Formats: sequence, structure tokens, C-alpha cells
Amino acid sequence: DAKTTQPNSMESNEEEPVHLPCNHSTISGTDYIHWYRQLPSQGPEYVIHGLTSNVNNRMASLAIAEDRKSSTLILHRATLRDAAVYYCILHNNAGNMLTFGGGTRLMVKP
Amino acid sequence: NAGVTQTPKFRVLKTGQSMTLLCAQDMNHEYMYWYRQDPGMGLRLIHYSVGEGTTAKGEVPDGYNVSRLKKQNFLLGLESAAPSQTSVYFCASSFGDLQNIQYFGAGTRLSVL
Repeated sequence: DAKTTQPNSMESNEEEPVHLPCNHSTISGTDYIHWYRQLPSQGPEYVIHGLTSNVNNRMASLAIAEDRKSSTLILHRATLRDAAVYYCILHNNAGNMLTFGGGTRLMVKP
Repeated sequence: NAGVTQTPKFRVLKTGQSMTLLCAQDMNHEYMYWYRQDPGMGLRLIHYSVGEGTTAKGEVPDGYNVSRLKKQNFLLGLESAAPSQTSVYFCASSFGDLQNIQYFGAGTRLSVL
């Protein structure tokens, strides 16, 4: 399976934008890029996903590099409730499994 | 609409005891999954099911059994609990389509003494 690399932790100030990077240099053409987050003491929660084009939803934006070897999850205005571990995951149809790495722990300062 | 519900939320077992964790989903999803999460780690897949009556092994299946007798339920069993199975267990479900967005329960915190 293609792997992803994320920073272990990041800090942000409340109400400022946050850019969470993810490297996936061995991504295949059929891999979707998924982002999930896990708030403290909760199960993971789907955030956003994309294949080639940038994507926006009510929670976040996903910017995908032209060569697809990296992507960035963008939280436009971080709130204290956004403090969580964010997982970048590559997924294709084979087996329908998600492989979770270590993720990035986002800390939001008031 | 409850989504994915796990019971129980907490459990303490003694080594050698058995128990069953129940996962129920009300989204008519075909696929269901059991993961475990150890402290400071990401989730690892134990077993999964692609439909009623079917199950398959994931990354760390040893010591666990599963059953999917009804589409909405996925049971995870520990026949003889060991301290190494102390973990937080998460159930998830999905439509199993190409994009496979998974919806997770709140987790079961299990301690084996």
C-alpha cells in the first residue's frame, strides 16, 4: 500500500487558517486521498476526500498537488473544537480498507 | 438517525474471560469493520465484512472472531482475553463503494487484567 507522511504535531492560533500537509510520493493513479480526524476520546470522523482536483466542503478544503504526490488539508478558521489528530489516508477500491498512520496532532491556542 | 452504535462503552475483563462487543448501524451499509487503537497509535483493522454472512481477516485478526448474521450488526468476540488485547475498539461501516467513506462508532474501551 502506498504510504503517507505527516508531521507529528502542529500548532495554530484560534480563528487563523491551518494548513496540514501530507506527502504521498508513491501514490497510484487510482488512489483517493482521504482525510479523517479524531477528536479526544472519540472515533475518527470523515473530513474530506479527493482524487485529482481540489475539493471544498463545509468542514475544510483539500488542495492536491498537480503531480498528486502531496496534498494539504486547509481549515479556514481554526476553532478550539478543531483540536484533534488528523489522518491523511490513501484509499483505492481494493479491499475497501483504510490504513491509518500516526497522523498529525493539531493543537489550537486561544 | 443513530449512525454507528457500539456496546458496551467500557469493560474490564480478567485474563481468560470471554466477551462480545456489539456494533449496530442504521445506515443500510454493506461493509462493516472492527479496528483497534493502542495508546498513541493509529487504528489497525482486525476483521471486516463485505455483506451479511461474510467476514474476512484484517491486519491483526489473531485472538478475535467475528460474525455478521444480520446486515445491521457486526459482532467482535474475544474467546480468551489476554492483557495484549487491552485497547480501544472502534467499529465502522460504509457503503463499500469506490470512495468508501467510513462512519465510526464512539469506541469501546477494554482493559484486560
